[in-house]
Amino acid sequence: SSELTQDPAVSVALGQTVRITCQGDSLRSYYTNWFQQKPGQAPKLVIYGKNNRPSGIPDRFSGSTSGSTASLTITGAQAEDEADYYCNSRDSGGYHRVFGGGTKLTVL
Amino acid sequence: EVQLVESGGGLVKRGGSLRLSCATSGFMFSLYRMNWLRQAPGKGLEWVSSISSSGTSIYYAESVKGRFTISRDNAKNSIYLQMNSLRAEDTAVYFCARDDLGMADLDYWGQGTLVTVSS
Repeated sequence: SSELTQDPAVSVALGQTVRITCQGDSLRSYYTNWFQQKPGQAPKLVIYGKNNRPSGIPDRFSGSTSGSTASLTITGAQAEDEADYYCNSRDSGGYHRVFGGGTKLTVL
Repeated sequence: EVQLVESGGGLVKRGGSLRLSCATSGFMFSLYRMNWLRQAPGKGLEWVSSISSSGTSIYYAESVKGRFTISRDNAKNSIYLQMNSLRAEDTAVYFCARDDLGMADLDYWGQGTLVTVSS
Protein backbone atom coordinates (compact mmCIF):
# COMPACT_ATOMS: atom_id res chain seq x y z
CA SER A 1 0.00 0.00 0.00
CA SER A 2 1.17 3.53 -0.72
CA GLU A 3 -1.18 5.33 1.66
CA LEU A 4 -0.26 7.11 4.86
CA THR A 5 -3.02 7.91 7.34
CA GLN A 6 -2.99 10.74 9.89
CA ASP A 7 -5.59 12.08 12.29
CA PRO A 8 -6.97 15.33 10.83
CA ALA A 9 -6.66 17.34 14.04
CA VAL A 10 -5.01 17.14 17.43
CA SER A 11 -4.89 19.61 20.29
CA VAL A 12 -2.52 20.02 23.22
CA ALA A 13 -2.33 22.30 26.22
CA LEU A 14 0.60 24.69 26.30
CA GLY A 15 3.64 22.98 27.79
CA GLN A 16 2.18 19.50 27.57
CA THR A 17 3.29 16.57 25.39
CA VAL A 18 1.54 15.59 22.19
CA ARG A 19 1.98 12.68 19.82
CA ILE A 20 0.99 12.85 16.16
CA THR A 21 0.76 9.49 14.43
CA CYS A 22 1.04 8.23 10.87
CA GLN A 23 0.07 4.75 9.72
CA GLY A 24 1.06 2.94 6.56
CA ASP A 25 2.44 -0.39 5.42
CA SER A 26 5.44 1.23 3.75
CA LEU A 27 6.60 2.54 7.13
CA ARG A 28 7.72 -0.99 7.93
CA SER A 29 10.36 -0.66 5.19
CA TYR A 30 11.20 3.04 4.90
CA TYR A 31 11.96 5.86 7.30
CA THR A 32 9.37 8.52 7.98
CA ASN A 33 10.03 12.20 7.56
CA TRP A 34 7.94 14.82 9.33
CA PHE A 35 7.21 18.31 8.06
CA GLN A 36 5.76 21.34 9.79
CA GLN A 37 3.80 23.84 7.73
CA LYS A 38 2.48 27.15 8.95
CA PRO A 39 -0.10 29.18 6.99
CA GLY A 40 1.33 30.76 3.87
CA GLN A 41 4.71 29.09 4.32
CA ALA A 42 6.55 26.24 2.68
CA PRO A 43 6.82 22.99 4.63
CA LYS A 44 9.83 22.63 6.91
CA LEU A 45 11.53 19.32 7.67
CA VAL A 46 11.53 18.68 11.42
CA ILE A 47 12.39 14.97 11.70
CA TYR A 48 14.08 12.60 9.26
CA GLY A 49 15.58 9.14 9.29
CA LYS A 50 15.37 7.09 12.44
CA ASN A 51 15.01 10.14 14.70
CA ASN A 52 17.11 13.03 13.42
CA ARG A 53 16.49 16.75 13.63
CA PRO A 54 17.84 19.19 11.04
CA SER A 55 19.90 22.04 12.37
CA GLY A 56 17.75 24.61 14.14
CA ILE A 57 14.89 22.29 15.06
CA PRO A 58 14.31 22.30 18.85
CA ASP A 59 14.98 19.08 20.73
CA ARG A 60 11.38 18.99 21.95
CA PHE A 61 10.64 17.37 18.56
CA SER A 62 11.32 13.64 18.30
CA GLY A 63 10.29 10.75 16.10
CA SER A 64 9.80 7.03 16.47
CA THR A 65 8.36 4.08 14.58
CA SER A 66 6.78 0.85 15.71
CA GLY A 67 5.70 -1.53 13.00
CA SER A 68 3.52 0.36 10.55
CA THR A 69 3.00 3.39 12.79
CA ALA A 70 5.30 6.39 12.99
CA SER A 71 4.97 9.06 15.63
CA LEU A 72 6.07 12.64 15.99
CA THR A 73 6.24 13.70 19.64
CA ILE A 74 6.46 17.27 20.83
CA THR A 75 7.52 17.37 24.48
CA GLY A 76 6.47 20.64 26.04
CA ALA A 77 4.49 22.12 23.16
CA GLN A 78 4.89 25.83 22.55
CA ALA A 79 2.51 28.29 20.95
CA GLU A 80 4.75 28.49 17.90
CA ASP A 81 4.32 24.76 17.31
CA GLU A 82 0.74 25.32 16.19
CA ALA A 83 0.81 24.22 12.55
CA ASP A 84 -0.04 21.47 10.11
CA TYR A 85 2.18 18.41 10.34
CA TYR A 86 2.71 15.96 7.49
CA CYS A 87 4.37 12.57 7.52
CA ASN A 88 6.15 11.37 4.41
CA SER A 89 7.84 8.22 3.26
CA ARG A 90 8.32 6.08 0.17
CA ASP A 91 5.82 3.78 -1.50
CA SER A 92 6.39 0.03 -1.61
CA GLY A 93 8.62 0.37 -4.68
CA GLY A 94 10.85 2.87 -2.94
CA TYR A 95 11.00 5.50 -5.67
CA HIS A 96 7.74 7.38 -5.25
CA ARG A 97 7.10 9.62 -2.26
CA VAL A 98 3.89 9.48 -0.29
CA PHE A 99 2.41 11.89 2.22
CA GLY A 100 -0.13 11.59 4.95
CA GLY A 101 -3.16 13.84 4.77
CA GLY A 102 -1.79 16.11 7.48
CA THR A 103 -2.63 16.79 11.12
CA LYS A 104 -3.65 20.25 12.28
CA LEU A 105 -2.11 20.84 15.70
CA THR A 106 -3.78 23.36 17.97
CA VAL A 107 -1.93 24.55 21.08
CA LEU A 108 -4.46 25.61 23.71
CA GLU B 1 22.66 29.85 2.37
CA VAL B 2 20.59 27.31 0.46
CA GLN B 3 17.92 28.98 -1.66
CA LEU B 4 15.31 27.62 -4.05
CA VAL B 5 13.11 30.03 -6.00
CA GLU B 6 10.24 28.86 -8.15
CA SER B 7 8.81 30.86 -11.03
CA GLY B 8 6.55 30.43 -14.03
CA GLY B 9 3.21 29.93 -12.34
CA GLY B 10 0.07 31.69 -13.48
CA LEU B 11 -3.40 31.32 -14.92
CA VAL B 12 -3.83 28.87 -17.78
CA LYS B 13 -6.85 27.39 -19.52
CA ARG B 14 -7.75 23.75 -19.24
CA GLY B 15 -5.78 21.76 -21.77
CA GLY B 16 -3.03 24.37 -21.87
CA SER B 17 0.65 24.21 -20.98
CA LEU B 18 2.97 25.90 -18.53
CA ARG B 19 6.66 25.58 -17.70
CA LEU B 20 7.84 26.03 -14.14
CA SER B 21 11.42 26.82 -13.17
CA CYS B 22 13.28 26.41 -9.91
CA ALA B 23 16.51 28.35 -9.58
CA THR B 24 18.84 27.29 -6.80
CA SER B 25 21.90 28.66 -5.04
CA GLY B 26 24.02 28.05 -2.00
CA PHE B 27 24.89 24.39 -2.61
CA MET B 28 26.58 22.10 -5.17
CA PHE B 29 23.43 21.63 -7.24
CA SER B 30 24.83 18.96 -9.56
CA LEU B 31 25.20 16.50 -6.66
CA TYR B 32 21.61 16.58 -5.47
CA ARG B 33 18.40 14.84 -6.44
CA MET B 34 15.57 17.33 -6.82
CA ASN B 35 11.80 17.17 -6.63
CA TRP B 36 8.58 18.92 -7.54
CA LEU B 37 5.65 18.77 -5.15
CA ARG B 38 2.32 20.53 -5.06
CA GLN B 39 -0.43 21.56 -2.70
CA ALA B 40 -3.96 22.25 -3.91
CA PRO B 41 -5.75 25.11 -2.13
CA GLY B 42 -6.65 24.03 1.39
CA LYS B 43 -5.36 20.50 0.78
CA GLY B 44 -2.36 18.40 1.71
CA LEU B 45 1.00 17.86 0.09
CA GLU B 46 1.43 15.74 -3.03
CA TRP B 47 4.72 14.62 -4.52
CA VAL B 48 4.82 15.19 -8.29
CA SER B 49 8.21 14.15 -9.64
CA SER B 50 11.86 13.47 -8.85
CA ILE B 51 15.03 13.73 -10.91
CA SER B 52 18.43 12.34 -10.01
CA SER B 53 21.56 14.45 -9.84
CA SER B 54 22.60 13.48 -13.37
CA GLY B 55 19.06 13.59 -14.74
CA THR B 56 19.11 9.95 -15.76
CA SER B 57 16.61 8.65 -13.17
CA ILE B 58 13.19 10.27 -13.27
CA TYR B 59 9.97 9.35 -11.52
CA TYR B 60 6.44 10.72 -11.70
CA ALA B 61 3.28 10.44 -9.68
CA GLU B 62 0.59 8.53 -11.54
CA SER B 63 -1.59 11.64 -11.53
CA VAL B 64 0.82 13.51 -13.84
CA LYS B 65 2.58 10.73 -15.74
CA GLY B 66 2.46 11.32 -19.48
CA ARG B 67 1.52 14.98 -19.08
CA PHE B 68 4.36 16.48 -17.02
CA THR B 69 8.10 16.37 -17.76
CA ILE B 70 10.82 17.15 -15.25
CA SER B 71 14.27 18.23 -16.39
CA ARG B 72 17.36 19.94 -15.05
CA ASP B 73 20.25 22.06 -16.23
CA ASN B 74 23.22 21.59 -13.94
CA ALA B 75 25.05 24.47 -15.62
CA LYS B 76 22.24 26.80 -14.59
CA ASN B 77 21.59 25.19 -11.18
CA SER B 78 17.94 24.83 -12.10
CA ILE B 79 15.18 22.31 -12.53
CA TYR B 80 12.07 22.63 -14.65
CA LEU B 81 8.59 21.17 -14.88
CA GLN B 82 6.88 21.20 -18.25
CA MET B 83 3.16 20.77 -17.68
CA ASN B 84 0.93 19.87 -20.62
CA SER B 85 -2.74 18.97 -20.94
CA LEU B 86 -3.47 20.80 -17.73
CA ARG B 87 -6.61 19.96 -15.79
CA ALA B 88 -8.57 21.82 -13.14
CA GLU B 89 -7.23 19.38 -10.56
CA ASP B 90 -3.68 20.52 -11.33
CA THR B 91 -4.48 23.85 -9.68
CA ALA B 92 -2.03 24.12 -6.79
CA VAL B 93 1.01 25.80 -5.36
CA TYR B 94 4.01 24.01 -6.85
CA PHE B 95 7.13 23.66 -4.74
CA CYS B 96 10.60 22.48 -5.65
CA ALA B 97 12.57 20.71 -2.94
CA ARG B 98 16.00 19.19 -2.53
CA ASP B 99 16.90 15.75 -1.22
CA ASP B 100 19.86 15.75 1.12
CA LEU B 101 22.86 13.61 0.18
CA GLY B 102 22.21 11.51 3.25
CA MET B 103 18.92 10.34 4.72
CA ALA B 104 16.97 13.59 4.72
CA ASP B 105 14.44 13.68 1.93
CA LEU B 106 13.09 17.10 1.02
CA ASP B 107 15.36 19.02 3.37
CA TYR B 108 15.02 22.42 1.65
CA TRP B 109 11.96 23.84 -0.10
CA GLY B 110 11.23 26.90 -2.17
CA GLN B 111 8.32 29.20 -1.37
CA GLY B 112 6.23 27.88 -4.23
CA THR B 113 4.53 29.24 -7.33
CA LEU B 114 0.76 29.16 -7.88
CA VAL B 115 -0.69 27.46 -10.93
CA THR B 116 -4.38 28.04 -11.61
CA VAL B 117 -6.12 26.06 -14.33
CA SER B 118 -9.38 27.61 -15.40
CA SER B 119 -12.19 25.74 -17.05
